[in-house]
Formats: sequence, C-alpha cells, structure tokens
Amino acid sequence: GAVVSQHPSWVICKSGTSVKIECRSLDFQATTMFWYRQFPKQSLMLMATSNEGSKATYEQGVEKDKFLINHASLTLSTLTVTSAHPEDSSFYICSARERTYGYTFGSGTRLTVV
Amino acid sequence: GENVEQHPSTLSVQEGDSAVIKCTYSDSASNYFPWYKQELGKRPQLIIDIRSNVGEKKDQRIAVTLNKTAKHFSLHITETQPEDSAVYFCAASSGTYKYIFGTGTRLKVLA
Repeated sequence: GAVVSQHPSWVICKSGTSVKIECRSLDFQATTMFWYRQFPKQSLMLMATSNEGSKATYEQGVEKDKFLINHASLTLSTLTVTSAHPEDSSFYICSARERTYGYTFGSGTRLTVV
Repeated sequence: GENVEQHPSTLSVQEGDSAVIKCTYSDSASNYFPWYKQELGKRPQLIIDIRSNVGEKKDQRIAVTLNKTAKHFSLHITETQPEDSAVYFCAASSGTYKYIFGTGTRLKVLA
C-alpha cells in the first residue's frame, strides 16, 4: 500500500526558533501533498496544499511567511514553522494521494514550543 | 465557505450496540466522502468511503449511507467492540483532493 513517512514524530523547540517537518511518499509519487494542523481534541484543519514545483496554496488565515512549504520533488514536501511561539504547539500531519490507495496520512509531528 | 458539520461530538454505547455518526456538508459539488478513525496520538486511518453515485456501502460491521439531496451522510457501526473506541472523522471532497473534515466524534464503547 501507499506509505507516507513523516519526521520528526515529535519535537520540542525554544520560542523564536524554526522547525522543519518532512513528509515523504515512500513508494509512490505525490504531485500534491496536504498539511494539516490538529489541536488537542479538535479536528484536522487544512493549512495548505503543497504542489510539486510550484508555490503552495494556503488556506485563509494561515500565514504563508510563518509556515513555509517547499515541495521540491515528487516524494518530499517540507513544512517549516518559522519563529515558533507557544501557540504554534500542535500536532502537524501531512497527507498525500496515491492513485490506487487514495489519501494516506503521515504519522504526524507533535510540536511543543517552550 | 465549505463546511462539514458532524454530530454527535461524543458518543458512548454499550458493547454490542450500534453507533451512528452523522455529517452534513455544504458544498454541493462534493462527490467523495471518506470516514477516518483516529486513535490517540496516531494518524487517521481510512475505514470506509462512499462516492456520490452510490447511496450505501457496507464493509462487515461498518456501513455508510449518503443522501445527496439533503447533503448528509452517516456512519453506522454495528455490534460495537471496545476496540472501536476512537475518534471518528468524516470528510467531504469535490474531487480536487482537498478534504474538508468534520469536527470529529469521540466514540467510547463500554464493556
């Protein structure tokens, strides 16, 4: 089946620093990947759509300069949380669509900003 | 904008009973409706899905029904078991691969 690998699974960083999260499609090519944020006991909120070779499309209310997305290859998308603050602490999860198996989620990254 | 409402937010049932979770979507162009199960701290897992050209789909103890006219769809779990306890999310998509998720239902199956 389609596998999406996400790293790191958890990260603790100091306020003001930047954190990069990687999302890889292991056995398929993904021209489009999606980044979600999930606060405790809440739903998955789409942050942005990552398109290989072009700029990401951000949802309303998501700061593109704070959440930098790079989709430089057909198997890798990265999300960088710049100048992180405690309110950015959340569970970040990516997903990609594979033609046969459909929509697959990464394992998620729990970010804690202290 | 696009919106998916999900009810109830929490649901407790006795083991062996049925559980029903309902979702309503706003975008009439939506044509694909997946359901995900998410255990604590883990990734959502697809459990069943339905497309707009089908009214009902069943997979063992799990079934989904779709009413396009009313723009709502439901998840039905029969003969619930403790391992069914999790958070369930519905979603709607209009074919752009962009999913709009419901707010989630925390299902607790009591042994």
